[in-house]
Amino acid sequence: GNSVTQMEGPVTLSEEAFLTINCTYTATGYPSLFWYVQYPGEGLQLLLKATKADDKGSNKGFEATYRKETTSFHLEKGSVQVSDSAVYFCAPAGGTSYGKLTFGQGTILTVHP
Amino acid sequence: DTGVSQDPRHKITKRGQNVTFRCDPISEHNRLYWYRQTLGQGPEFLTYFQNEAQLEKSRLLSDRFSAERPKGSFSTLEIQRTEQGDSAMYLCASSLGTGLSETQYFGPGTRLLVL
Repeated sequence: GNSVTQMEGPVTLSEEAFLTINCTYTATGYPSLFWYVQYPGEGLQLLLKATKADDKGSNKGFEATYRKETTSFHLEKGSVQVSDSAVYFCAPAGGTSYGKLTFGQGTILTVHP
Repeated sequence: DTGVSQDPRHKITKRGQNVTFRCDPISEHNRLYWYRQTLGQGPEFLTYFQNEAQLEKSRLLSDRFSAERPKGSFSTLEIQRTEQGDSAMYLCASSLGTGLSETQYFGPGTRLLVL
């Protein structure tokens, strides 16, 4: 089955710092890759996704590139804001004929002013 | 598009009791998923429906768990003879499509506490 190894947290940064959250995966076949985010008190929501090798997903200043050769999908942002404080989950969808997600354990990000 | 809704949002029950949760997906979404999330962990897949057909059940889903999606609309997840280990957040998600790339939209979850 699929599995995900996600950078352990918590991660604490100052506002405007550079963010990287590492994610590597194993999956059967050719998965689609997702980053979901959970803001305090809110439900899971899609942050970005990529569906084929070398695709770059982007949203709200976050980016992640689908690297098939290294089976990675690292999340980056050039300048974080306090409002980015949340839990971030990496999740491939694959190994079946439908989009079952396999989530990492999540990385807690706290951004201080 | 009113989003995925779940009811109840919170449930406290005593060990051995039965509980039932409801999920209303986004209208016309053909796919519906249930996940379980424990504190400090990512969600774990429980089961998947395509329209009214339940196509996969995780090994996490013991015989005490049953899920239905009559008429391919809302879904229910029932837990019989609850145990303390069932305490978790139960998440429902829905999507529209036939492949691997469509976005799953999550509900707010039902938090279960078994005393």
